[in-house]
Amino acid sequence: KAGVTQTPRYLIKTRGQQVTLSCSPISGHRSVSWYQQTPGQGLQFLFEYFSETQRNKGNFPGRFSGRQFSNSRSEMNVSTLELGDSALYLCASSLGQNTDTQYFGPGTRLTVL
Amino acid sequence: AQSVAQPEDQVNVAEGNPLTVKCTYSVSGNPYLFWYVQYPNRGLQFLLKYITGDNLVKGSYGFEAEFNKSQTSFHLKKPSALVSDSALYFCAVRDSGYSTLTFGKGTMLLVSP
Repeated sequence: KAGVTQTPRYLIKTRGQQVTLSCSPISGHRSVSWYQQTPGQGLQFLFEYFSETQRNKGNFPGRFSGRQFSNSRSEMNVSTLELGDSALYLCASSLGQNTDTQYFGPGTRLTVL
Repeated sequence: AQSVAQPEDQVNVAEGNPLTVKCTYSVSGNPYLFWYVQYPNRGLQFLLKYITGDNLVKGSYGFEAEFNKSQTSFHLKKPSALVSDSALYFCAVRDSGYSTLTFGKGTMLLVSP
C-alpha cells in the first residue's frame, strides 16, 4: 500500500499571503489529522477530519482551516500568513478508531518571509 | 485532559549498550500509548503501541516498551543500540474516551560509535 503523501514538500511564501497544503491518506483510511511542528512548540494538533467532517480541533486561530473530500483527501489552508507560521506541517491518516495507529506523511516545510 | 512528558531532551548512549527513552503520561480514562521516531527532514515513523494486554510491547527495529500503570510510564527500550538509531523519538498518548493524540516534546537519541 502506498503511504501518506503530502504536496508540496517545500513552500516559501511572504507575510500576508495564503497557502493550501494537500494530504492524500493511505487507501481505506477515513481519518486525517494535521499537526504543526516547530522547534520551540514541538508537535501541536491542528484538526482532525473523519468522513468529511471536522471531528476535533486544536487551539489555533481561525486563519487555519481545513477540509476533507469524499475520497478522504484533505487540504489545510492558512490565510494571512505570519512569520510564526513557518513550520513543518504533518498530516497523518488512520482508520479512525481511537485504538488505531496514525501513519504520517513526510510533511510540508513552509517558510514565511 | 491528557498529557505526556518526556523528561530528557537528549539521551546519549554508546553503540552496543542498552538504551532507554523515558515517557510518563496523564489521562483520566484508559491510556493508549504510542512511540514514533523521526529522522531529519522526515515525517514520523510508527514504532509500537500499547492498547491493552501484555505490559511489554515489541515493535519495529528491535525496540520494545513497557507499560507501567502504577507509575504511569511507557519507557522505550532497546537491548543494543545502533548508530543508525540516532533520531528524535516521540511518545504519544490518547485517552480511551478521545480520538486526539497528544505528543511529548520529543527526546533526541544520540548513539556514538
